[in-house]
Amino acid sequence: AQSVTQPDIHITVSEGASLELRCNYSYGATPYLFWYVQSPGQGLQLLLKYFSGDTLVQGIKGFEAEFKRSQSSFNLRKPSVHWSDAAEYFCAVGADDMRFGAGTRLTVKP
Amino acid sequence: DTGVSQDPRHKITKRGQNVTFRCDPISEHNRLYWYRQTLGQGPEFLTYFQNEAQLEKSRLLSDRFSAERPKGSFSTLEIQRTEQGDSAMYLCASSLEAWGYTFGSGTRLTVV
Repeated sequence: AQSVTQPDIHITVSEGASLELRCNYSYGATPYLFWYVQSPGQGLQLLLKYFSGDTLVQGIKGFEAEFKRSQSSFNLRKPSVHWSDAAEYFCAVGADDMRFGAGTRLTVKP
Repeated sequence: DTGVSQDPRHKITKRGQNVTFRCDPISEHNRLYWYRQTLGQGPEFLTYFQNEAQLEKSRLLSDRFSAERPKGSFSTLEIQRTEQGDSAMYLCASSLEAWGYTFGSGTRLTVV
């Protein structure tokens, strides 16, 4: 069965610092992988997705993620975090019955 | 493209009452999904439709829950005999393909 693990419940970074959010997945075939962001009281917004091809994918808002099949990982990165990036981030896997991780809450210190 | 619309945004109901939520997907999207999200958790899959056909239901969807999508347009999610454990955010999403959903802002249900 497909599943997603986000090991970090909460991460705090300083504004301007780099960011990496971890995601590990379990999936029987070539996975469809996604990162979503959710601000308080809002729906989820798609940041980026991976289906196949280049393992480094670029998304919106300056985010990127790298697919590593050998590690079953799809970590999200950003070189320089802005205060407006503070939100909950969810990794997801699958199609038509997409499964989400429990999320990582990002706090940005001034 | 007006996005995915959900109504109501908030619903407070007494335990044992029935509630119904509505989702209007992006008009050209043939796939529609329902998820439930509780505080501090990621969204949990409930069910999905392709056009008017309900193709998969999670075991989370007990017999008190029913979803419909008449004519393959809007969808409704009904919860009968609500329980306090049903308190959650109910999210609807739609897509043209089996990935990259567009989510609505959700309906927050509080059962008192």
